[in-house]
Amino acid sequence: GAVVSQHPSRVICKSGTSVKIECRSLDFQATTMFWYRQFPKQSLMLMATSNEGSKATYEQGVEKDKFLINHASLTLSTLTVTSAHPEDSSFYICSARTGGGAVTGELFFGEGSRLTVL
Amino acid sequence: SQKIEQNSEALNIQEGKTATLTCNYTNYSPAYLQWYRQDPGRGPVFLLLIRENEKEKRKERLKVTFDTTLKQSLFHITASQPADSATYLCALDTGGGNKLTFGTGTQLKVEL
Repeated sequence: GAVVSQHPSRVICKSGTSVKIECRSLDFQATTMFWYRQFPKQSLMLMATSNEGSKATYEQGVEKDKFLINHASLTLSTLTVTSAHPEDSSFYICSARTGGGAVTGELFFGEGSRLTVL
Repeated sequence: SQKIEQNSEALNIQEGKTATLTCNYTNYSPAYLQWYRQDPGRGPVFLLLIRENEKEKRKERLKVTFDTTLKQSLFHITASQPADSATYLCALDTGGGNKLTFGTGTQLKVEL
């Protein structure tokens, strides 16, 4: 199946700093990528839909100025958590579809990035 | 309100038995439903997709049913193995095909 790579897998930072997480589709082009957040023992919550060459679409309640998303190419989307605070500590996961964005296609997920803000 | 509910308690079964996991939803009309497996500290992995006009879908030891009247999907693993131990998530199409909303997942433990 298609491969989605996320980096870094773990990051620890001090409160107030910014952290960038990269999501790459390694063997396919992804017009659309999705960013999820998952707290312990909870489900994946969609944060935003990242569209190549245009602005991301954020879910209700997600601060777009805090979670900056850039989808500069068909294989790379980045999520920057700005001025991170301890409550932002979570597991962030990106995903993408193959098939030119066929809407019923399966999602391929990255391995996730564990963010810990001290 | 809209909800997707899966067994909140962990499901423990004996090796060789059939595991059955439930996904119930309210106030959604999904065109399709998907099941994913997630291991601790990892991203989910796609298992099966079933469309609203399909009653049942099979893949090796896996079987999924989809009852749009009951608003329920059942996920079966036959001849379960310890390697099947993981959290299983159902996900519904909740945005006209471009948005997946996930259930909370059910943790399955298959014991020897």
